[in-house]
Amino acid sequence: AQSVTQPDIHITVSEGASLELRCNYSYGATPYLFWYVQSPGQGLQLLLKYFSGDTLVQGIKGFEAEFKRSQSSFNLRKPSVHWSDAAEYFCAVVPNTGNQFYFGTGTSLTVIP
Amino acid sequence: NAGVTQTPKFQVLKTGQSMTLQCAQDMNHNSMYWYRQDPGMGLRLIYYSASEGTTDKGEVPNGYNVSRLNKREFSLRLESAAPSQTSVYFCASSHLVREKLFFGSGTQLSVL
Repeated sequence: AQSVTQPDIHITVSEGASLELRCNYSYGATPYLFWYVQSPGQGLQLLLKYFSGDTLVQGIKGFEAEFKRSQSSFNLRKPSVHWSDAAEYFCAVVPNTGNQFYFGTGTSLTVIP
Repeated sequence: NAGVTQTPKFQVLKTGQSMTLQCAQDMNHNSMYWYRQDPGMGLRLIYYSASEGTTDKGEVPNGYNVSRLNKREFSLRLESAAPSQTSVYFCASSHLVREKLFFGSGTQLSVL
């Protein structure tokens, strides 16, 4: 079945440490790939997206993500986490033959001072 | 610039009651969406409208109806609310399908 998997439900990191959030998908061809962030009580905000081209994409707030076709992955990274990065992060895909966004179940990030 | 505006922000219903969630966007976007968010399940698409005058079912359409009133407005109606519809509902819009979604701030709905 087609799916978007975020294997980590919750991650805790210290402020200043590096961060990697995992996302795997199972769609036949390379889909459109997105990372969104949700702060408490808010809607989702786009961090970055990948359609084609360079497999390392830069986003807002110092985030980046790398598309790896061989691993069907689109992992989100940040070199140094800030306390304000505490939030829920969602990976999303749009199959290149469809119109719908499919979201992962999310990863909740806690940042320790 | 308001972006995507949803009303109401909170609502409590009794089983069997009906209500309509309103959504409006001021970005001249073609596509609009309704999602529900439940703990541990991410966001699931209820209905979407790729363009004015069209609507299509998403992953979880049962128990809901939608109306694309004009290019700006896309409403979600619960005809007979059930406890299983307790959730946070998000409206979103995009210029074209597969492009960046802009989200409203959500409606927290409880059905008792």
